[in-house]
Amino acid sequence: DAGVTQSPTHLIKTRGQQVTLRCSPKSGHDTVSWYQQALGQGPQFIFQYYEEEERQRGNFPDRFSGHQFPNYSSELNVNALLLGDSALYLCASTTGLGEAFFGQGTRLTVV
Amino acid sequence: GQQLNQSPQSMFIQEGEDVSMNCTSSSIFNTWLWYKQDPGEGPVLLIALYKAGELTSNGRLTAQFGITRKDSFLNISASIPSDVGIYFCAGQGLRTSGSRLTFGEGTQLTVNP
Repeated sequence: DAGVTQSPTHLIKTRGQQVTLRCSPKSGHDTVSWYQQALGQGPQFIFQYYEEEERQRGNFPDRFSGHQFPNYSSELNVNALLLGDSALYLCASTTGLGEAFFGQGTRLTVV
Repeated sequence: GQQLNQSPQSMFIQEGEDVSMNCTSSSIFNTWLWYKQDPGEGPVLLIALYKAGELTSNGRLTAQFGITRKDSFLNISASIPSDVGIYFCAGQGLRTSGSRLTFGEGTQLTVNP
């Protein structure tokens, strides 16, 4: 049983560009959340998708958007990249009890 | 917004020693989760706590959910080198599928052989 998988693992983008990150949840999980983790800090909640709709959103600007597909996989899109967007982006899928299981993350570097 | 205060920020111990770390919050959480993160990897779930006062063990790990629902601690007994990593506590406000997690800042654990 595959766990949460994310792609790509590493990415380098130029300031002002747009990026799309992808996530496949653990089998049987229908809820996907995205987190941003800056170096030396705990993960910060970006948003959560359930039944193809954004259900909750953290304190992130509209440059951050997402999508969930019928097979529960999800994408995170970031427009107009800033240097401060450099971080590890984590995807988590959730059980009915609320236990979140994380992927290995995508390391985004904005130069 | 909700914040979790995790302490200590870092710990340096000898192999075989016991370790204790804790998390406090100004807000009530319905669920507390403890994660371990290795460099370049995503957090791995260690223990989940659902009831106030609950004490749960997972091998050498023991965690407790505070009675007030505003704190939790994690103990590691007889530490080994592979315990090295960053430990995060996370609180969840609603005991329903998929609610957001609020994370602490982490405790960096170093184990000297």
